[in-house]
Amino acid sequence: TQLLEQSPQFLSIQEGENLTVYCNSSSVFSSLQWYRQEPGEGPVLLVTVVTGGEVKKLKRLTFQFGDARKDSSLHITAAQPGDTGLYLCAGGSYNTDKLIFGTGTRLQVFP
Amino acid sequence: DTGVSQNPRHKITKRGQNVTFRCDPISEHNRLYWYRQTLGQGPEFLTYFQNEAQLEKSRLLSDRFSAERPKGSFSTLEIQRTEQGDSAMYLCASILTGMGTGELFFGEGSRLTVL
Repeated sequence: TQLLEQSPQFLSIQEGENLTVYCNSSSVFSSLQWYRQEPGEGPVLLVTVVTGGEVKKLKRLTFQFGDARKDSSLHITAAQPGDTGLYLCAGGSYNTDKLIFGTGTRLQVFP
Repeated sequence: DTGVSQNPRHKITKRGQNVTFRCDPISEHNRLYWYRQTLGQGPEFLTYFQNEAQLEKSRLLSDRFSAERPKGSFSTLEIQRTEQGDSAMYLCASILTGMGTGELFFGEGSRLTVL
C-alpha cells in the first residue's frame, strides 16, 4: 500500500513567517501534486511536478520533488492569512490511475 | 458548465438507512473518481470510472457501497444500511485524460452524517 505522510500535521504561524510542509513516502511516484482545500470545498490543484529534483515556483510558494521521486516539499515565503487552509500532497502511481493523497497539513496564518 | 457538481451537499440520516449521492462531472471529462474524506484528513480513494467502466475499487469499499456511471456522464454512489462510521465527506472529481492538462477537478463534496 502506498502511503504519503505529511508533516507537520498542524501549523499555526504569524503573518510574514516562512514555513515548509513535507510529504514523504517509501514508494516511488510518477508525479506529485499539491492541493489546497478550504472548509466546505473540494481540494484545488496548486501544482504538478513530474521530474525528480524538479522545483516549481508559484508566487510565494516553492514546490520541490525529491530526486528519488519519493518525497516533496512545499515552502511558503512570507505567509499571509489567505494562505490558511488544508494542504494536501497527492502522488500519481505507475501501476494504477488513482491519485494517493497525503495525510494533510492544516495551516493557520494569523494576522 | 462551470465545474463538478455534487448533490446533495449535506445529508443527515439514521443508521440503517440507504443514501445516494450524485456527481455531475465537467461535461467532456472521461474519467471520474470518488473519494471519502474525514475531518482534517486527506481524501481516501474509493473507486473510479473511465467513461462508463468502473476500473478499480478500493478495499475500503464494502459490499454496502456501490457506484455507477451508466452513460459515462453523471455518477451515483449508494451506501446501503448506513453505519455511523460512514459519516464523512464524499468527494467526486473528474479529469480529461489523454488530451487534457492532467488536472483533477473536485466538486464541493457531499457531507454525510449518520446518527
